[in-house]
Amino acid sequence: LAKTTQPISMDSYEGQEVNITCSHNNIATNDYITWYQQFPSQGPRFIIQGYKTKVTNEVASLFIPADRKSSTLSLPRVSLSDTAVYYCLVGALDNYGQNFVFGPGTRLSVLP
Amino acid sequence: DADVTQTPRNRITKTGKRIMLECSQTKGHDRMYWYRQDPGLGLRLIYYSFDVKDINKGEISDGYSVSRQAQAKFSLSLESAIPNQTALYFCATSERGRYTGELFFGEGSRLTVL
Repeated sequence: LAKTTQPISMDSYEGQEVNITCSHNNIATNDYITWYQQFPSQGPRFIIQGYKTKVTNEVASLFIPADRKSSTLSLPRVSLSDTAVYYCLVGALDNYGQNFVFGPGTRLSVLP
Repeated sequence: DADVTQTPRNRITKTGKRIMLECSQTKGHDRMYWYRQDPGLGLRLIYYSFDVKDINKGEISDGYSVSRQAQAKFSLSLESAIPNQTALYFCATSERGRYTGELFFGEGSRLTVL
């Protein structure tokens, strides 16, 4: 299983762009990179997923360098409601549920 | 209504009691999972089921058992609850063969064992 490392916590201010980097040095060829968001007392929610280069949706962007040993979740112009824990997961889609490991995640605090 | 529903949402019990947490889903997904979350930690997989006849242990299955009563229902049991099983429990589903393999979570069941 590919182990991931991400910062335990980050602070930001409203309106700023936030970048959260995740390291996954032993990522396998078939592995995808997925990010989830979790608000207090709620289940995690899928944000974005990618394999390589850049993926963008209405919520975030995901940047993956060519060696795929790291990835960066970018949240544009954060608001107070983006305060949450963000998890980086790495794994093959076929074994998604059984092998994905939710580590401690990154606790993002957005300040006014 | 939520697509993945967990009951009860909160439960306080005593050491040695049997507890069942129930999960039902209306998403029509084949795959269901039970996770446990402790304060400040990520989620750890307890059991997962890829269909009604397929049950598999996850990372921390000791002290837990599950039952997949139907495609839409997956229950987690603690036969004899102990205090270190105090945690927030999440049920999740995913669709077999779906490109993203996205997990859909319930709102959680908070269990306190005294």
